[in-house]
Amino acid sequence: QQPVQSPQAVILREGEDAVINCSSSKALYSVHWYRQKHGEAPVFLMILLKGGEQKGHDKISASFNEKKQQSSLYLTASQLSYSGTYFCGTAGGTSYGKLTFGQGTILTVHP
Amino acid sequence: DSGVTQTPKHLITATGQRVTLRCSPRSGDLSVYWYQQSLDQGLQFLIQYYNGEERAKGNILERFSAQQFPDLHSELNLSSLELGDSALYFCASSAQGDSGPYEQYFGPGTRLTVT
Repeated sequence: QQPVQSPQAVILREGEDAVINCSSSKALYSVHWYRQKHGEAPVFLMILLKGGEQKGHDKISASFNEKKQQSSLYLTASQLSYSGTYFCGTAGGTSYGKLTFGQGTILTVHP
Repeated sequence: DSGVTQTPKHLITATGQRVTLRCSPRSGDLSVYWYQQSLDQGLQFLIQYYNGEERAKGNILERFSAQQFPDLHSELNLSSLELGDSALYFCASSAQGDSGPYEQYFGPGTRLTVT
C-alpha cells in the first residue's frame, strides 16, 4: 500500500525551513528519501532503519517513528537547489529492495 | 552522475511492438531494480535482481519481463505494447544483498512513447 506524503506541495523563500511527512498503514522496516528534479532521475538523500540507524547526507535530517509508521524529512535553511519533488519509499519485512513510493511532495524555493 | 547507465534515452514505438531497455549498474553493485514512472501512477517498483537471480517482484505486467546477466547488466523487455505503457523507465542499482536495505542509485531513465 502506497505511503501518504504531506504536504502535497510547499513554497518557500531561501533560508526558510520545511518538514515533509510520510505515513504508512503497514509496519515498516525502512524509510528511504529521494529528491527528483524535473526531467532527472531521483537522487538518494537518506535511509532510516528500524532500530534507529540512519544513512544519508550531512545537511539532511529525518526522523522515523516506528510505532506510528511515520517519517519526517527536515529541510533547514533552504537553498534554491532544494527545489524538486521529494519522495519517500517504504519497505517492510525482509523485502529490503521492494520500495513503495509515496505520491511525492513538490518543494519550490524562491529567492 | 550516479554511475548507472541506461540505453536508449528515448524510444518511440507503435502499439503491439516489443522493446528492450538496457541497464548497466554501478561498478561493484550486485542488485538492479526497475521502476516505471508515469504521471498518474507515480514511481512504481517493477522488479529486483540480485546477482542474476530475481529477488523481489512488484506489480509487473505479464507482458513485461526482465533478466540480469552474468556481467550484471540487466534488460527489461516490454512486449505487446499499449498506449498506457508510455512512461519513464528507471533502472537503479545498489550493493544490497540479504543483509538489509541499501541506498539505490538511479540511472537517467528511458523515456518510452507508444503511439
